[in-house]
Amino acid sequence: SQQGEEDPQALSIQEGENATMNCSYKTSINNLQWYRQNSGRGLVHLILIRSNEREKHSGRLRVTLDTSKKSSSLLITASRAADTASYFCATDSGATNKLIFGTGTLLAVQP
Amino acid sequence: EAGVVQSPRYKIIEKKQPVAFWCNPISGHNTLYWYLQNLGQGPELLIRYENEEAVDDSQLPKDRFSAERLKGVDSTLKIQPAELGDSAVYLCASSRTVYNEQFFGPGTRLTVL
Repeated sequence: SQQGEEDPQALSIQEGENATMNCSYKTSINNLQWYRQNSGRGLVHLILIRSNEREKHSGRLRVTLDTSKKSSSLLITASRAADTASYFCATDSGATNKLIFGTGTLLAVQP
Repeated sequence: EAGVVQSPRYKIIEKKQPVAFWCNPISGHNTLYWYLQNLGQGPELLIRYENEEAVDDSQLPKDRFSAERLKGVDSTLKIQPAELGDSAVYLCASSRTVYNEQFFGPGTRLTVL
């Protein structure tokens, strides 16, 4: 079973634009993580945000977390063609140390 | 540092045949995970090892799936017999401990005909 639902399922933007994708989850979490997956490099960890944090930055990535709404968003600024990939959120409830992945957002950045 | 190694990368078999996947985690990583990823979905955990011990195998279909990590290093996941619905990507991941970031291998894409 998947914990997270991501929105939109697919997103197409032009290079240089910002991309925002959202993740909603069902149960209380210890932390939420974002991963990127493309055919060339497999699944890669991008950023982790803990339940007591509201916002986190890493390079061109900005993640927010709203535990009251059980939702998170990932913003990629100044997108590049190389950002084309599927993006997944994954939640760790802490109780089982098990990551539960969402369904993913397929991002296409047009050059 | 070498990443997580998986082999084979691709496997095509007839239904009812057995198949095995191999994973070599990053050196020094005690925790090893096997995930199943269906097309258009996120990965789902099949089994997690802490060293040699399988500490979470609740999602592993034990009638046909088995896994082992005999020396606490590399691991093998087996399906016997394979069914059409087993067609998917099988991902292996490792982490230093269960509290650390997981690093994923490239996966094995299985096609059952």
